[in-house]
Amino acid sequence: GAGVSQSPSNKVTEKGKDVELRCDPISGHTALYWYRQSLGQGLEFLIYFQGNSAPDKSGLPSDRFSAERTGGSVSTLTIQRTQQEDSAVYLCASSLVFGGHTEAFFGQGTRLTVV
Amino acid sequence: AQSVTQLGSHVSVSEGALVLLRCNYSSSVPPYLFWYVQYPNQGLQLLLKYTSAATLVKGINGFEAEFKKSETSFHLTKPSAHMSDAAEYFCAVRATGANNLFFGTGTRLTVIP
Repeated sequence: GAGVSQSPSNKVTEKGKDVELRCDPISGHTALYWYRQSLGQGLEFLIYFQGNSAPDKSGLPSDRFSAERTGGSVSTLTIQRTQQEDSAVYLCASSLVFGGHTEAFFGQGTRLTVV
Repeated sequence: AQSVTQLGSHVSVSEGALVLLRCNYSSSVPPYLFWYVQYPNQGLQLLLKYTSAATLVKGINGFEAEFKKSETSFHLTKPSAHMSDAAEYFCAVRATGANNLFFGTGTRLTVIP
């Protein structure tokens, strides 16, 4: 497809389990972003990648959260020992280049529910 | 750090009335500004963006926004609301020379028939 693809679209997990969320950016896009959208909280920045490196990890909520990107393409956001407060929609976006007025294109998100 | 403030988490307008969604940014140097829209159960899509080429920016679906440096604002307007405009609207900012994109908390627009 031509857009940003995220999988799974929905994930229900038990508290304490680990989860992996996947993002396939638009082909050729060098920048990739992860955001978390909680009810009434807007979009919370988590991390962004320039190629395979992540210059800014300051948005990751805790050390239970990690992310990687390989081959300048697919990215995985991993949440270890999930907690109920991790329940949210996790959005991925990509853009062709970095900075300026470059538009970020968003995927449909992964809705994570921790029970 | 760059930030944007969206005043009013919920805005209701009658069909055909003016839509005004407010966004103020915090920066001493004019940043790049964006408005995104999220329809129910869909991802975010770009409505319009400020690139410093013009202070009045026209976007899709009849929306426009005006950059006002003196007020550090980038409010979104539409002359006549349509039922299909009901959605959540996000203002976003990227500082000059930076890569990251920060979003406001969003404004949910309800259109009353």
